[in-house]
Amino acid sequence: GESVGLHLPTLSVQEGDNSIINCAYSNSASDYFIWYKQESGKGPQFIIDIRSNMDKRQGQRVTVLLNKTVKHLSLQIAATQPGDSAVYFCAEISNTGNQFYFGTGTSLTVIP
Amino acid sequence: GAGVSQSPRYKVAKRGQDVALRCDPISGHVSLFWYQQALGQGPEFLTYFQNEAQLDKSGLPSDRFFAERPEGSVSTLKIQRTQQEDSAVYLCASIRGGGRGMGEQFFGPGTRLTVL
Repeated sequence: GESVGLHLPTLSVQEGDNSIINCAYSNSASDYFIWYKQESGKGPQFIIDIRSNMDKRQGQRVTVLLNKTVKHLSLQIAATQPGDSAVYFCAEISNTGNQFYFGTGTSLTVIP
Repeated sequence: GAGVSQSPRYKVAKRGQDVALRCDPISGHVSLFWYQQALGQGPEFLTYFQNEAQLDKSGLPSDRFFAERPEGSVSTLKIQRTQQEDSAVYLCASIRGGGRGMGEQFFGPGTRLTVL
């Protein structure tokens, strides 16, 4: 199946700093991507999505960037807060729309 | 309820025992997914339903795994003759629409299965 992976398994940032979490995907035909946040003991929570006809999409304190040339996705979190501490996954949606392929995840720790 | 619920939240089974995990999706949601999440890993797709139809079960790891959604709402994931490698968190998710990744996927809290 498709391969979705993350460059950094762990990331520690100071409260108030910006965070950048990266993700690489292998299927150049994929055209829809989602970032999820998963806190301990909970299911993943949708953060933001992006389609391949876009390079950038902004939400509240979050921005997703898509570079189709190098098949790279990133999530930027502005003014990181302690509540942002969690594991972040990128997911790639199959062409059929039936399967969501998740990466391994990056654990973000915000230091107060 | 407002979200996806799963029961039980925790299940301990002896090797060889059968288990049944329940998922209550958000009312009216057409699409339902099951995932298996091993410790420290991302969720792995198991199967997908659109209403009562199981459109994709390619992720089920063996014929010991069986899922159903007979009335297009509640779904059950059954694992027969559980093995230690089945220990994981089983996540259920639902989407309002059907078809290609339509809409936001809402996850339940998961069922943590431990096989001794």
